[in-house]
This record gives sequence, C-alpha cells and structure tokens, in this order.
Amino acid sequence: AQSVSQHNHHVILSEAASLELGCNYSYGGTVNLFWYVQYPGQHLQLLLKYFSGDPLVKGIKGFEAEFIKSKFSFNLRKPSVQWSDTAEYFCAVSLSGTYKYIFGTGTRLKVLA
Amino acid sequence: GAGVSQSPRYKVTKRGQDVALRCDPISGHVSLYWYRQALGQGPEFLTYFNYEAQQDKSGLPNDRFSAERPEGSISTLTIQRTEQRDSAMYRCASSNSQGNGEKLFFGSGTQLSVL
Repeated sequence: AQSVSQHNHHVILSEAASLELGCNYSYGGTVNLFWYVQYPGQHLQLLLKYFSGDPLVKGIKGFEAEFIKSKFSFNLRKPSVQWSDTAEYFCAVSLSGTYKYIFGTGTRLKVLA
Repeated sequence: GAGVSQSPRYKVTKRGQDVALRCDPISGHVSLYWYRQALGQGPEFLTYFNYEAQQDKSGLPNDRFSAERPEGSISTLTIQRTEQRDSAMYRCASSNSQGNGEKLFFGSGTQLSVL
C-alpha cells in the first residue's frame, strides 16, 4: 500500500536556524508531491508542490523542497526560519492521474524567538 | 464562496447520537474529499466525490459513516450512533481538477468530540 513517512514529529529551532524536514513515500509509479502547512488556528494550506520538471521547487515564504526520485524523498528546507514559521507541516503524495491523496503524519515545528 | 466552509466548527455530542457535518466547497470545484485527522496523525482519507458521484468510499471506517453530495456542491458526512473513538477533526477539501492530483483547498474542519 502507498504510504508517506515523515521522520520528525516535533522539531524545535531558534530563529535563523536552518530547517530540513524529511519526507519519504512508497509508491512505484508517477507521483505529484506536496507540502501543506497549518498555522495555529488556521486551515491547511499549500506550501509548495512538485509535478514535473526541475526537482528543486520553491514555495511561499522562502521554503523549498527537493524531489530525489532514487530516494523516494521530498524533503522540505528553509535556510533561516522565523518565529512565524511555527506550524504543523504535512507532506502529501497524489498518484498522478488519480484522485488519491495520501498525507504523512505531520511535523510540528516550534521556532523560538 | 471564497473558500471551503465547514460547519459546525465544533461539535460535542453524547455517545449514541447521530451527527451531520457539512461542507460547502469552493464554487465550481468538482472534486470533494473528506478526511479524518486524529490527534498527532495526518489526514486520513475517508471518501471522494466527483460532482455528485461518490467515486470512492473505501476510507469510511464502517457502515455508521456515510456521505452524500446530492447536487454536486454541498456535502454532508453523517455519523450514526457515534462512539468515543469517532472523536477527531473532520476535514473537507475541494479541488477544481477532476481527480488529477491537483492542489487541495481545505476548510477549517469540524472538531468532533463524543462524550
């Protein structure tokens, strides 16, 4: 069965630290990859997505993610986090050409001011 | 509407009662999803609609759960004879693609607590 793994459940960083959140998926076919974010008190919203082309994708607020097909990974990065990045981050995979969307368990990020 | 709207935002009910959760997707969005999210977990797929057709209900845990979208717009998720284990955040999402893995727009969710 398809699955999405996020290795870090809770991450605490100081402002200006660099961030990398891991995401691995298991599926042998073509996938679309997403990172969603939920800020406190808000709904889930798209941070960035990868469908095809350049495997390094840039999203909002300085986030980026790199698709490494050989590793089935789509890690999220940000060079310098801010207090306002405190949120829960979800990696998601959709099976290309289908409606199926699978989410990881999420990573809670807390950035200390 | 401007976004996906879910109601109620919070629902507290007693075990054994029925509940109905409503989702009003973005106007024109053909795809509608229901997810359930337990504490500390990611969203878990429940069911998917393409217009009014329920194309996949494989994620519904048991026959106490049902969903409909009779006119291809508003959807209702109904849980009959609620149990404490049904307590969770229920999220609705819509998309303007016909199930081609496009971006999902989420509502704020309904937090269900079964006492």
